[in-house]
Amino acid sequence: DAGVIQSPRHEVTEMGQEVTLRCKPISGHDYLFWYRQTMMRGLELLIYFNNNVPIDDSGMPEDRFSAKMPNASFSTLKIQPSEPRDSAVYFCASSATVSGANVLTFGAGSRLTVL
Amino acid sequence: AQTVTQSQPEMSVQEAETVTLSCTYDTSESNYYLFWYKQPPSRQMILVIRQEAYKQQNATENRFSVNFQKAAKSFSLKISDSQLGDTAMYFCALFLKGDDKIIFGKGTRLHILP
Repeated sequence: DAGVIQSPRHEVTEMGQEVTLRCKPISGHDYLFWYRQTMMRGLELLIYFNNNVPIDDSGMPEDRFSAKMPNASFSTLKIQPSEPRDSAVYFCASSATVSGANVLTFGAGSRLTVL
Repeated sequence: AQTVTQSQPEMSVQEAETVTLSCTYDTSESNYYLFWYKQPPSRQMILVIRQEAYKQQNATENRFSVNFQKAAKSFSLKISDSQLGDTAMYFCALFLKGDDKIIFGKGTRLHILP
């Protein structure tokens, strides 16, 4: 298995532009998580899906952020319009419950810089 | 609310030494799992070790072992015979069985010095 695949690896954009981050989870995993990592706040859970259905989006910072999972093999995180404070590394992770625990497998992350 | 606290923002040790990273957590639940993840400079998050709360025996994975003190809500990671490749950010994480989310600490940046 190729693992969790994220794209793009790096994105530099200007304030006000729309940003779309993509994720392909591991086949057979029924959970998908989006995390944001910054120096100040560490790893923050933004939203997660179970069987393609959004379960908890309470971590999404504001309405400018949206996430979708149209099928079991693809998810997007969109920021519109982007702001400099959105600059961070965004991780996608997927999991299947293993012995009662969600063991996350992370993608390589997408580093977003908003100028 | 569940919390995970890593009180050591940064540490440095010489190669081949043993180092212990601290983690405390807070939950009122009795059934949970604890994890240590490693994030090297490549940015990839890698699972290091996992502990089930109902198991008294401390988990070990080669040079990595944990000291799980359930009453004290402490979950420290010991790295023996440290290697240059162990240089990374280490995150402690808590998963509540019955919940779906994993809560991460702020991380400890570990430098292994040659």
